[in-house]
Amino acid sequence: QKEVEQNSGPLSVPEGAIASLNCTYSDRGSQSFFWYRQYSGKSPELIMSIYSNGDKEDGRFTAQLNKASQYVSLLIRDSQPSDSATYLCAVNQFYFGTGTSLTVIP
Amino acid sequence: ETGVTQTPRHLVMGMTNKKSLKCEQHLGHNAMYWYKQSAKKPLELMFVYSLEERVENNSVPSRFSPECPNSSHLFLHLHTLQPEDSALYLCASSQVDHSGNTIYFGEGSWLTVV
Repeated sequence: QKEVEQNSGPLSVPEGAIASLNCTYSDRGSQSFFWYRQYSGKSPELIMSIYSNGDKEDGRFTAQLNKASQYVSLLIRDSQPSDSATYLCAVNQFYFGTGTSLTVIP
Repeated sequence: ETGVTQTPRHLVMGMTNKKSLKCEQHLGHNAMYWYKQSAKKPLELMFVYSLEERVENNSVPSRFSPECPNSSHLFLHLHTLQPEDSALYLCASSQVDHSGNTIYFGEGSWLTVV
């Protein structure tokens, strides 16, 4: 069983729409969760971290964590073409998913 | 100057060569990491140096050997690699404390083994 699972996509949304990215994890004892954005040919950059159940908002980004269901999601509101990238979910900083490729269509 | 600097950015080496990747962090962190990123695969944690302890992924072949002379510098020594070792190697650092453990990545070293 994979530690962290993400839908590889590609996910395409029109500009201005909400993009929803999902991630599930296997270790019920996991405590910290992270979303990274990775542009093609570049290294991952941190977008959000979340440690408690519920929602955490930062600008156009909202991370949602549900430990009982073992999933964490990332919502991107008012999606922009510059948001087109691969989004990586990480659990406890050691385990990464394969990433979801997002394309925002102008 | 970026927080985590890696050199070289690109490296092509033969299977009999010996080379090293270098990483330096300017963030005052107390932990450093090597990750491997291959196409269509999740980021793979290779080695961690945290609070002067080394943790390694047992699945990493011995042809990769890390060295961490101090909290700011990290090396990955490469010898007798295989073509399947071609990948992006990412160095990262973090501050391990009670408030969390956010990792910051360097730009990566693209390695091609021929």
